[in-house]
Amino acid sequence: SQKIEQNSEALNIQEGKTATLTCNYTNYSPAYLQWYRQDPGRGPVFLLLIRENEKEKRKERLKVTFDTTLKQSLFHITASQPADSATYLCAGSADKLIFGTGTRLQVFP
Amino acid sequence: GAVVSQHPSWVICKSGTSVKIECRSLDFQATTMFWYRQFPKQSLMLMATSNEGSKATYEQGVEKDKFLINHASLTLSTLTVTSAHPEDSSFYICSAGGGSNQPQHFGDGTRLSIL
Repeated sequence: SQKIEQNSEALNIQEGKTATLTCNYTNYSPAYLQWYRQDPGRGPVFLLLIRENEKEKRKERLKVTFDTTLKQSLFHITASQPADSATYLCAGSADKLIFGTGTRLQVFP
Repeated sequence: GAVVSQHPSWVICKSGTSVKIECRSLDFQATTMFWYRQFPKQSLMLMATSNEGSKATYEQGVEKDKFLINHASLTLSTLTVTSAHPEDSSFYICSAGGGSNQPQHFGDGTRLSIL
């Protein structure tokens, strides 16, 4: 079955460092991938969308890549801040959006 | 940006009660809205796709008679959990948008607790 896997359940990094989150897809080829941020008890907030013909996309401190050979997307937050602490969800397009279980990022001072 | 409002944010009720959750697109028209369910530390699972003016499309394993969806206007979809039981307790989230490779915009979710 079509799957989106975010292998790291949690990631702890120090403020100022770059956080890198991984998303892998299996058994299908999504036309695009989306990244969302979700805070506890809140709905997901859209961050970035990258299409399969795009290798990289940036928005302020955020960068996302799409590697169709590795079947993987990487999500980077540079110069991370404690306010970046949240769960980050990867979602791949199919006949519906398929979500990963998310990676909980904790940025400590 | 696009705003989706969901109400109520939190419901606690007795077993056997029916609960209605509203999802509104505030600044755009949405012919399609989506209803998700999320358990703790799990991914969002699509329950159904709500289509304005027609019947909703339910995902496999979701009981349509249990989870009634109405999408009577271009800005409002409702999900009614009928005769709710404790196992229906969960976080329900709606979204709108997502057409033509566009992102979906989510409401803030409804925490449903059935006693």
